[in-house]
This record gives sequence, C-alpha cells and structure tokens, in this order.
Amino acid sequence: EPEVTQTPSHQVTQMGQEVILRCVPISNHLYFYWYRQILGQKVEFLVSFYNNEISEKSEIFDDQFSVERPDGSNFTLKIRSTKLEDSAMYFCATQWEAAPYNEQFFGPGTRLTVL
Amino acid sequence: QKEVEQDPGPLSVPEGAIVSLNCTYSNSAFQYFMWYRQYSRKGPELLMYTYSSGNKEDGRFTAQVDKSSKYISLFIRDSQPSDSATYLCATPTTSGTYKYIFGTGTRLKVLA
Repeated sequence: EPEVTQTPSHQVTQMGQEVILRCVPISNHLYFYWYRQILGQKVEFLVSFYNNEISEKSEIFDDQFSVERPDGSNFTLKIRSTKLEDSAMYFCATQWEAAPYNEQFFGPGTRLTVL
Repeated sequence: QKEVEQDPGPLSVPEGAIVSLNCTYSNSAFQYFMWYRQYSRKGPELLMYTYSSGNKEDGRFTAQVDKSSKYISLFIRDSQPSDSATYLCATPTTSGTYKYIFGTGTRLKVLA
C-alpha cells in the first residue's frame, strides 16, 4: 500500500539553527500539506502546496518557514532560525486532488526538539 | 468559540465494551467529518468519514453526524486492545485547499 514517508523521524537542534524536514509523497498525489502538533495540543495546519506554489498558509507560517519541492519528489519544510516553541511533531500529508471527500494521507511525522 | 472541540480523555474501557467518542463543531457550513486514528509515535490514519447528517458503518465502527446539534460521534463495538490509540475528529474547511481542522483527540485505552 502506498504511504507517505518522512525523514528524519527525530531531529534535535539548537535554538537559532536551520532545520529541513523531508517528506516523500504518494507518487500520484498533487496536493501537499504540513501540519504540526505541539505536545498535548491539536494537530494544526501550517501550509498547503500545489503546482510548486503555496496555496494557503496559516498565521503560524511566518517568514521563518518555507516549503519547496526541489526535485519533483521530496517535499520539504525549512525552518530558518528555530525557536524553542517550534518543538513539535511535524506531519506531512498528501492528497491526489484537493476535495473535501478525498483523504489526506499522513506521514509518520518528524519529532523536532529545539534546545 | 473553538471550531472543533473534543474531550481529550483519557478513556479506559474493558475489552468488549462499546466505546463512544464525540466531537462538537461550531460552523454549520462544515459538511464532511473525518475520524482519524493515531497510534503512539505514528501519523494519523483515516478510519472513516461521513457527509452531512446520518450514520455510516464499517465493521465494528459507526460514525454519526447530527447537524442540528453540531455533534459528531464514533462508536466502536466489541472494542479490542488493538483499538487503543488516540482518535481525532477532523473536518475540512469549506473552501480553499480544504485544510483539516482537528479536535484535540481522545486517548482511548482498551484493557484486556
């Protein structure tokens, strides 16, 4: 069964450092999302991406965040200068068509710890 | 008012019990309601979804939506220890990229 994969599974970084989280979508999916889940809190939307452009972003997704799909396969989330409050699980989700009845498939997540 | 609310639990039940998990939502424009299951240190996986009001059944799982009271439920019959997980309700927004709005998730433990 096709699945979304994410690397690394756990990333520990010092405050102020840059991190790149990677996602490999399901091969025929065209719509990509990043969500995050701070420990004990809700899964919350960060950004959606389609056709090499950001489609929508939340207020969390400020100038410190960026996304790209550099090689047509990997979908990445970059945090330029990490803060303590960026510590969370980051989930990539993919969908073959952006429609409310189409499932978003989630990856296993990357646990980001900022020290 | 929060858009989707869910009791975080934890909820502990004996094996074989019927489990009822519930969410409320605030926006009457929401039409689709998803239930995701999340095992520890894993990503959410879709269990089932419903459209508008009514019931949907899949094996031991039944999802129910009452739009008049903005209440959504997931029932698990004959619960098993393997059902122990966090259950997340979610709804896609009604426009744009249909991003999901999640509840907090209810942690369920089924005791053998």
